[in-house]
Amino acid sequence: SQQGEEDPQALSIQEGENATMNCSYKTSINNLQWYRQNSGRGLVHLILIRSNEREKHSGRLRVTLDTSKKSSSLLITASRAADTASYFCATDPRPYNAGNNRKLIWGLGTSLAVNP
Amino acid sequence: EAGVAQSPRYKIIEKRQSVAFWCNPISGHATLYWYQQILGQGPKLLIQFQNNGVVDDSQLPKDRFSAERLKGVDSTLKIQPAKLEDSAVYLCASRRSGYNEQFFGPGTRLTVL
Repeated sequence: SQQGEEDPQALSIQEGENATMNCSYKTSINNLQWYRQNSGRGLVHLILIRSNEREKHSGRLRVTLDTSKKSSSLLITASRAADTASYFCATDPRPYNAGNNRKLIWGLGTSLAVNP
Repeated sequence: EAGVAQSPRYKIIEKRQSVAFWCNPISGHATLYWYQQILGQGPKLLIQFQNNGVVDDSQLPKDRFSAERLKGVDSTLKIQPAKLEDSAVYLCASRRSGYNEQFFGPGTRLTVL
């Protein structure tokens, strides 16, 4: 099955710095979602950006989407130690998904370490 | 609202044994997913239910894996017999109809020795 690809695979930064992760995908999409996974809270949805949107903000998160390049980026500003986690992009591909058949295609993730 | 519940949280078995996982989705969520996540990888969809019907099981190894959602609420995933390569975290997620966000349970970490 097709998968998104995140880069970098691993990122280590100091608290207060910004973290940027990228995601590339292969098919046309309805939307792209970012999720965070850490040992304490499992997989949690962060933000969704639709194919007709170019940028979206949620708190310290900023997501961009370039459908011509089939890529997205997630920016976390003013990072905190609690942001240490793996971040996954997941695409809702078109035209495969319709109606109730909404299957996400997942990337391999970026492992982010925020050092105090 | 209560989140997605899964049990057990951890399971250690020997190869060729059987194991079952249980999931209780968020109330009112018609869609339920089972994923397998191997260490260092993203989740891999095993099966998707819409109420009690299977929507997608194309990546489910049907010779050893089975899943059911008889009343359209709780679901069980079974592996029989287990292989070493089945060692992974098994995640259950649910989604409300008309919405895109999936809500995940804490997962079951399976170790096959």
